[in-house]
Amino acid sequence: QKEVEQNSGPLSVPEGAIASLNCTYSDRVSQSFFWYRQYSGKSPELIMSIYSNGDKEDGRFTAQLNKASQYVSLLIRDSQPSDSATYLCAVNLEYNTDKLIFGTGTRLQVFP
Amino acid sequence: DADVTQTPRNRITKTGKRIMLECSQTKGHDRMYWYRQDPGLGLRLIYYSFDVKDINKGEISDGYSVSRQAQAKFSLSLESAIPNQTALYFCATSAQGETTYTFGSGTRLTVV
Repeated sequence: QKEVEQNSGPLSVPEGAIASLNCTYSDRVSQSFFWYRQYSGKSPELIMSIYSNGDKEDGRFTAQLNKASQYVSLLIRDSQPSDSATYLCAVNLEYNTDKLIFGTGTRLQVFP
Repeated sequence: DADVTQTPRNRITKTGKRIMLECSQTKGHDRMYWYRQDPGLGLRLIYYSFDVKDINKGEISDGYSVSRQAQAKFSLSLESAIPNQTALYFCATSAQGETTYTFGSGTRLTVV
């Protein structure tokens, strides 16, 4: 079992819809969870971080964390074509270290 | 100037050649990381360093070596390049106690 798993996609949604991206992880003691956006050929950029169970909202983005189910998700409301990118889930798997393990990413396509 | 600078941006090299990828940062971070990215495989950790005297192997260190010349500089070497090391390589940094990474722009390496 991979330590951080994501569906590779592509996930295709129409403009204005909600895109839902999911990620599961293997380590129950993980403390920190991140979503990065990566445009083709570019470096990843951090869009959301979440550390406790529940929802965290930032503009059109909402991160959801459920530690009991070892599940973290990202919702993008009012999706725009500019949101088309690969979304990487990253988890701090080793307690008390700063090392992140990344999922393989989900490619999102938002069509007009 | 970028906070994390990688050189070169692109490189084509021949099988068996030694090549060095360089990373320098102005963030003042003590943690530095090298990842490679392949299509469908996400970001995989090659080596990481938590300070100048601390070097650790990641999940795919075979065929690679690193040098932390100073707090601000972390180099990745391929002693004898092979075609399956063709990939996009990213350097990242973080501050102690934080898992928010700053990524360089990446080096696209092609081994022919």
